[in-house]
Amino acid sequence: QLQLQESGSGLVKPSQTLSVTCAVSGGSISSGSYSWSWIRQPPGKGLEWIGCIYYSGTTTFTPSLKSRLTISLDGSKNQFSLKLSSVTAADTAVYYCARESRIPLWGRGTLVTVSS
Amino acid sequence: EIVLTQSPATLSLSPGEGATLSCRASQSVSTYLAWYQQKPGQAPRLLIYDASNRATGIPARFSGSGSGTDFTLTISSLEPEDFAVYHCQQRSDWPPYTFGQGTKLEIK
Repeated sequence: QLQLQESGSGLVKPSQTLSVTCAVSGGSISSGSYSWSWIRQPPGKGLEWIGCIYYSGTTTFTPSLKSRLTISLDGSKNQFSLKLSSVTAADTAVYYCARESRIPLWGRGTLVTVSS
Repeated sequence: EIVLTQSPATLSLSPGEGATLSCRASQSVSTYLAWYQQKPGQAPRLLIYDASNRATGIPARFSGSGSGTDFTLTISSLEPEDFAVYHCQQRSDWPPYTFGQGTKLEIK
């Protein structure tokens, strides 16, 4: 059974780069029919879809974060990653990874806090 | 970017009552709409995909309907564990796969 597990930088200082990785187990990330997404949720707020990557390497980002966002995929490690640069307190959130498909599958999320 | 508007923002009901939650899209998403349930401190749980298909393990009291721009999540008879926040998400065509702002279902 496919499972996704996020791990992140935990606490990041303002202006630095936030990094979160999603490890995929129970299946191959190289399966070409899926895309792999990141979603975040600031404390007490709603869900925000951030971006996704296909196995081909094609990425799509939400416009508001496009200039600061990098999503990459490592097939050899069966994982994909998110990097968000120049962070502020507004980037504090639980970050979720997901396999996009007709039936989406999510990880449990990891909290990343931006604070000095 | 497709905007999803959920209503009401908060719904106050008692166990045993029925609940109707709405999600409206700014343009057609066909039936590419999902519903999630989220409880405090937990990740969202998929309830409904493709507008009307229940995910694995979801009780029959949950049902989804709609197509195009108007969608409904119905809970036929509320159980105590159903009080949570409900999110809709459109997955039409190409990303971004936007979410609605959520409906909080609270105990009256």
